[in-house]
Amino acid sequence: DQQVKQNSPSLSVQEGRISILNCDYTNSMFDYFLWYKKYPAEGPTFLISISSIKDKNEDGRFTVFLNKSAKHLSLHIVPSQPGDSAVYFCAATNAGGTSYGKLTFGQGTILTVHP
Amino acid sequence: GAGVSQTPSNKVTEKGKYVELRCDPISGHTALYWYRQSLGQGPEFLIYFQGTGAADDSGLPNDRFFAVRPEGSVSTLKIQRTERGDSAVYLCASSFSGTGIYEQYFGPGTRLTVT
Repeated sequence: DQQVKQNSPSLSVQEGRISILNCDYTNSMFDYFLWYKKYPAEGPTFLISISSIKDKNEDGRFTVFLNKSAKHLSLHIVPSQPGDSAVYFCAATNAGGTSYGKLTFGQGTILTVHP
Repeated sequence: GAGVSQTPSNKVTEKGKYVELRCDPISGHTALYWYRQSLGQGPEFLIYFQGTGAADDSGLPNDRFFAVRPEGSVSTLKIQRTERGDSAVYLCASSFSGTGIYEQYFGPGTRLTVT
């Protein structure tokens, strides 16, 4: 039972253009969402997060949008840079619950940014 | 400051053997997490600790898996009677704990191969 899904295994974009990574979830108890970035042979690195009380959070080139009714979130990277090439994971948790430390991850999307 | 460290970085063992994987969290982080990542998948939650106690161990797949954190800092994940299906990258993460703190900081992982 995949509660967090990233349906695009890979995405390829040109440097300077926008990258849009998508994530869907099924568990309505999830109320806090995070994006992680992972380079080969390294652990995931936290990128940006959003609480369900918001629909948008921005940090520099990275913006996360949350559509609760659709149970969908997306990560926008503008402009994309070659150094952004990595695997991106969406994760979710029930922040209001007793087990808020338990993150549920999607399968990941491999982003390739071409110079 | 130093990040999360995990030892060993690679471990090859024979089916049926016992293994221990170690995690040193970021100094001052009271929460510690273990995840397992198989090829092409996102990290899968195993267990997390608040201080010395396991706050949620619902992700441990069976009783061959056990984790401890006796002094509230270093943690060891122990796997008995290893099976080939246990082969994966085992990730450890740590964070501050408390309301509103959900971002977890990951180590580079231990790649376990069971032959």
